[in-house]
Amino acid sequence: DSGVTQTPKHLITATGQRVTLRCSPRSGDLSVYWYQQSLDQGLQFLIQYYNGEERAKGNILERFSAQQFPDLHSELNLSSLELGDSALYFCASQIHSPGHYNEQFFGPGTRLTVL
Amino acid sequence: AQSVTQLDSQVPVFEEAPVELRCNYSSSVSVYLFWYVQYPNQGLQLLLKYLSGSTLVKGINGFEAEFNKSQTSFHLRKPSVHISDTAEYFCAVSEADSWGKLQFGAGTQVVVTP
Repeated sequence: DSGVTQTPKHLITATGQRVTLRCSPRSGDLSVYWYQQSLDQGLQFLIQYYNGEERAKGNILERFSAQQFPDLHSELNLSSLELGDSALYFCASQIHSPGHYNEQFFGPGTRLTVL
Repeated sequence: AQSVTQLDSQVPVFEEAPVELRCNYSSSVSVYLFWYVQYPNQGLQLLLKYLSGSTLVKGINGFEAEFNKSQTSFHLRKPSVHISDTAEYFCAVSEADSWGKLQFGAGTQVVVTP
């Protein structure tokens, strides 16, 4: 158990719909990262938040957005869903301390299926 | 920008035999290197990391990896595998001066058979 929690574990929805994925980082970790894992693209970095502020953006579609709240949990919002959005979405949190640079702890993931 | 290449998509290995998973990277700046393992239907777990210092790093579950700067490689090894090592293994790189986003390789599926 990494200490990072993600809900829901599974999500099945239809094309055109909107969903919200939730992540709670490990206690004390200020950074949250979102990654997408799909068969054709592999593991792709989407976006990072640090203490409530967006810090880095990767291959995130305009239909996707995220935010980090004052209690440090984060939500990834996916809208106008397409079949190709079906994937595993991981959240990771990160220690910011010497000796642990960029070491990320991953949650169990949310499996999104778009029908 | 950096990239990571895992040279083998699948590695079959017999129980108690050694295994080596190959990883090469490219980057124009200093990097940190990581190996993660993903068991079926689970998230990623950190096996080991290279930040600086000794080029041979030891991780959990008997794994070790060697950083070779001249060859830009970070190969993962285990001298004797168990059935429970069956999983997918990901090499990842992070630029040392970045905010920590990880660039992953495509993964290597290790299948251990008796």
